[in-house]
Amino acid sequence: GAVVSQHPSWVICKSGTSVKIECRSLDFQATTMFWYRQFPKQSLMLMATSNEGSKATYEQGVEKDKFLINHASLTLSTLTVTSAHPEDSSFYICSARGGSGADTQYFGPGTRLTVL
Amino acid sequence: DQQVKQNSPSLSVQEGRISILNCDYTNSMFDYFLWYKKYPAEGPTFLISISSIKDKNEDGRFTVFLNKSAKHLSLHIVPSQPGDSAVYFCAAIYTGANNLFFGTGTRLTVIP
Repeated sequence: GAVVSQHPSWVICKSGTSVKIECRSLDFQATTMFWYRQFPKQSLMLMATSNEGSKATYEQGVEKDKFLINHASLTLSTLTVTSAHPEDSSFYICSARGGSGADTQYFGPGTRLTVL
Repeated sequence: DQQVKQNSPSLSVQEGRISILNCDYTNSMFDYFLWYKKYPAEGPTFLISISSIKDKNEDGRFTVFLNKSAKHLSLHIVPSQPGDSAVYFCAAIYTGANNLFFGTGTRLTVIP
């Protein structure tokens, strides 16, 4: 079955540094990838939607200059948290959607970011 | 490999009837399971969860059943309402892990 991986699974960084998280679809081409942030009460907040080869569409309230998303190929999207601060500490999850099955999303395992 | 599976991509149910959404998993280490509801253009919203020490958890119209021996869980919605129409994801996690493993989702359509 389709698999989405994220790397790293856990990262600790100092305040002010930038962190890059990769999301890869391992055995299918992901035309669309989504980035989520998990907040308390376990709901996921959609941060942005990216389509391969075009700029990401950010949800209201998400700073596009702080959370840089690149979807350079059909199997890779990256989220870069720039100048990270402790309040950016969270669980970030990506999901990918292939060309068929509009509702089928394959989720990555998530990346836990801790900013000191 | 997909460790959490939802084999039915869609389900249609008449309003007032019961909706049963199924989820299977392969990793016996999972000890906590969650159901999320997702509307278009939004992130999944937490609905209900169950620990592996239980076999049933009920919250209003929503009940989750867990069958550990079969590695199967199901979400029952009764009575189903048109507002329940959404995509439902099940997810699983195990103690000490950073990872949340999601199924691929089932679109529920409740017909008025």
